Amino acid sequence: DTGVSQNPRHKITKRGQNVTFRCDPISEHNRLYWYRQTLGQGPEFLTYFQNEAQLEKSRLLSDRFSAERPKGSFSTLEIQRTEQGDSAMYLCASSLDDSKNIQYFGAGTRLSVL
Amino acid sequence: AQKITQTQPGMFVQEKEAVTLDCTYDTSDQSYGLFWYKQPSSGEMIFLIYQGSYDEQNATEGRYSLNFQKARKSANLVISASQLGDSAMYFCAMREGYRSGGSNYKLTFGKGTLLTVNP
Repeated sequence: DTGVSQNPRHKITKRGQNVTFRCDPISEHNRLYWYRQTLGQGPEFLTYFQNEAQLEKSRLLSDRFSAERPKGSFSTLEIQRTEQGDSAMYLCASSLDDSKNIQYFGAGTRLSVL
Repeated sequence: AQKITQTQPGMFVQEKEAVTLDCTYDTSDQSYGLFWYKQPSSGEMIFLIYQGSYDEQNATEGRYSLNFQKARKSANLVISASQLGDSAMYFCAMREGYRSGGSNYKLTFGKGTLLTVNP
C-alpha cells in the first residue's frame, strides 16, 4: 500500500532558475491537488486535477507556475524564474472521487530559493 | 473573515492524559466536510479524522474523536491517552460546497495548533 510520493524532498535553487517537482498519487485516486505551505501557516490550495484535466487554479498560481498531469497519473509542478518568495513547502495530495473526498498528502517538497 | 479558526497556537499535555484541540469554522453551506490532520516535524500531513455535516454521530478513529457541535460551528479534536509521538502540529480543515463559493473539493486550513506531550 503505497501512499502519495513526492520528489525531490528538498530543493535549493538560485533566484531566476526553473524548478520542477513531481507527485505520484495513490494509484486508484483520480483527483490530485497541489498546496503550498509557508512557515507558520496552514497549507493553501494551488490547483486541482480530475484525471488529466486541470479544473481549478488559485490566484496564488502566478503565470510562472504551471502544473500538468499528462496521463491522469503522476503530476508535475514547474516554477519558472524562481523568486525568494517562492520558498515554501509544496504539498501534493490525492483522493477518490467520492462524497467524503478525503485527501491524502505526500511528504512535500521543501523549496529554498537563495 | 477566517473560514477556519484555531485559537490555540500551542498546547501542552502530560503523557497518558486527554487533550482537546479547538476548531471553529464559518460557512453558509449545508453540506460540508471537516478534517483534522497531523503534521510532525518531518512535514508530511497525516489524515486523522473526518466529519460530514450530515453525520449525526461524532466521528471516532482509535484515540481520536471529533466533538462536532453544528449549531456552534465547532469541530474540536479530542486525543485520548496522549503519547509522546503525538507531539506535532495539528490542522483543522474544511471542504465547503458551492454556495459559499467553495468547490466541493479544495480544503481550507486553519493556522494550526502545536501540541507538545510531556513525559
